[in-house]
Amino acid sequence: QSVLTQPPSVSAAPGQQVTISCSGGSSNIGNNYVSWYHQLPGTAPKLLIYDKNERPSGIPDRFSGSKSGTSATLGITGLQTGDEADYYCGTWDSSLSAWVFGGGTKLTVL
Amino acid sequence: EVQLVESGGGLVKPGGSLRLSCAASGFTFSISYMNWVRQAPGKGLEWVSSISSDSTYIYFADSVKGRFIISRDNAKNSLYLQMNSLRAEDTAVYYCATAAAVGATPYLLEYWGQGSLVTVSA
Repeated sequence: QSVLTQPPSVSAAPGQQVTISCSGGSSNIGNNYVSWYHQLPGTAPKLLIYDKNERPSGIPDRFSGSKSGTSATLGITGLQTGDEADYYCGTWDSSLSAWVFGGGTKLTVL
Repeated sequence: EVQLVESGGGLVKPGGSLRLSCAASGFTFSISYMNWVRQAPGKGLEWVSSISSDSTYIYFADSVKGRFIISRDNAKNSLYLQMNSLRAEDTAVYYCATAAAVGATPYLLEYWGQGSLVTVSA
């Protein structure tokens, strides 16, 4: 069982928007930076969002991140079929002295 | 361009050992925090271990503590993971990843390699 909790799956139609939640605690999300990763089928994970709402070069502004207390949210607007992937949240857990990931959310663009 | 190339994976019997390597290029390896993350077949990401730029700070997941050793050679731009007493549940693709750090701990995993498959089976 993951320290961070994500919904196993979300789905929406092309052009629509979706949010993916990531719930944790004070030792992880509550007091540390959250980052988001996406993993297209058969490929390595890639950094998607970091810090408060920063995107690496090449990531469109259709992707956004936010945090409130011990929860974080990834938002994706203008969904495209190419967005179908697994999405993971991650952060450092100060109590465990370990990096922790959410269990992952599979996005399906119908 | 940042490149991370893992090698050393393969098939090993339970109780055996394997050493993974990660060759880094395209960035200043000697000042970079490095990590190993694994993914069992059909499963999610699991962090394995982190090592600071000068090897002062080293962390392990409880699942591998006492069995795995992380190390680096800054002169060779290389990261290593020595895996001992391997179990079937260690079967996974192992990724090396760079990290940005705040003080002694990583706060994001920035670049990832393509991974190396380790299969533990009799």
